Amino acid sequence: SAVISQKPSRDICQRGTSLTIQCQVDSQVTMMFWYRQQPGQSLTLIATANQGSEATYESGFVIDKFPISRPNLTFSTLTVSNMSPEDSSIYLCSVVDLAKNIQYFGAGTRLSVL
Amino acid sequence: DAKTTQPPSMDCAEGRAANLPCNHSTISGNEYVYWYRQIHSQGPQYIIHGLKNNETNEMASLIITEDRKSSTLILPHATLRDTAVYYCIVSYGNKLVFGAGTILRVKS
Repeated sequence: SAVISQKPSRDICQRGTSLTIQCQVDSQVTMMFWYRQQPGQSLTLIATANQGSEATYESGFVIDKFPISRPNLTFSTLTVSNMSPEDSSIYLCSVVDLAKNIQYFGAGTRLSVL
Repeated sequence: DAKTTQPPSMDCAEGRAANLPCNHSTISGNEYVYWYRQIHSQGPQYIIHGLKNNETNEMASLIITEDRKSSTLILPHATLRDTAVYYCIVSYGNKLVFGAGTILRVKS
């Protein structure tokens, strides 16, 4: 399975600031996603990170709040902008192994906003 | 919204088989049934998936009914480390819509 590394693993941030989360995969992948998991909740898809084009956002998520970059087939970043305590969540990236039709997840970034 | 229904929680004795049910009555013909689990808020771990036939791997077995409207994940010999939230998801393979899942507690 793909090896996915997320950085940072956790962070504590002040409200009003922004945090950029990195996701690195050990192989080239076509499909990469970003999810959010709020405290005590299940995972919610934020967006699909498209290589070479703008990300595709799910309902309720906007580019100004969660800008995403995907410069190549092994790397993506998610920025959480102008943070508030409500943004305190675990943010996870995932990739799809198209040959196996399986999605693999990173360990996540635990964000706390004070 | 998630297209699956799972019991909110289940208990299982250590060493016994854990059978986790899932209803997916609106599943489409080309949608797979996926099972993931999440331990202590780590990233979800892939367990198994199937389309029509029953599947088995080193972690678990997946039994899908003939009408594909429900399935059961079987952990043959549950251990304490299998305590986790188990998610049943129907998907064509790309976007995964997570429901609340089933909290499985394996007890000694």
